[in-house]
Amino acid sequence: RKEVEQDPGPFNVPEGATVAFNCTYSNSASQSFFWYRQDCRKEPKLLMSVYSSGNEDGRFTAQLNRASQYISLLIRDSKLSDSATYLCVVRDGTNAGKSTFGDGTTLTVKP
Amino acid sequence: DAEITQSPRHKITETGRQVTLACHQTWNHNNMFWYRQDLGHGLRLIHYSYGVHDTNKGEVSDGYSVSRSNTEDLPLTLESAASSQTSVYFCASAPGQDYNEQFFGPGTRLTVL
Repeated sequence: RKEVEQDPGPFNVPEGATVAFNCTYSNSASQSFFWYRQDCRKEPKLLMSVYSSGNEDGRFTAQLNRASQYISLLIRDSKLSDSATYLCVVRDGTNAGKSTFGDGTTLTVKP
Repeated sequence: DAEITQSPRHKITETGRQVTLACHQTWNHNNMFWYRQDLGHGLRLIHYSYGVHDTNKGEVSDGYSVSRSNTEDLPLTLESAASSQTSVYFCASAPGQDYNEQFFGPGTRLTVL
């Protein structure tokens, strides 16, 4: 079993749709959680950190459920520019600095 | 502006050759990382460093080595390139150990024939 598992996708949605991605992690010692965005053939960039209380940044909402060991990303009112691969990242608190990446979920937003 | 760069951006080499990929950051970050990304997969950690003269193995370190002689650079060496090492390589850096974001370089696409 992989340490970090994501919905395989791909997700193909129309503009304006709401889409949600889930990610599960196996290491209960994990301390920090993130969503990164990666455009085709480009480097990953931080989209948002995920806090225990949940957090929102415009159309994006991230949630953390420690008991069930999963995090989620909700995108509302999808834009064409949201088309990308979204990577779930988990950092182990016992070995600060090491991050484990999920394989990513690909989103395509269509007109 | 501070940045992280990688060179070369593309490299084609032959099996058995030694290859070094460069990574340079100007943020003065202590932490630096090397990942590889294969088609349809996430990033896998090769090696990482928490500071000068510190290096550590990641989950896929076999066949790779790194050295950290200064803060700015973490070159990745493939001692004897193999076709299985054909991949896209990303370098990243982050400040301190309690950080929220890794900053990635643009990547190096390596092909081993």
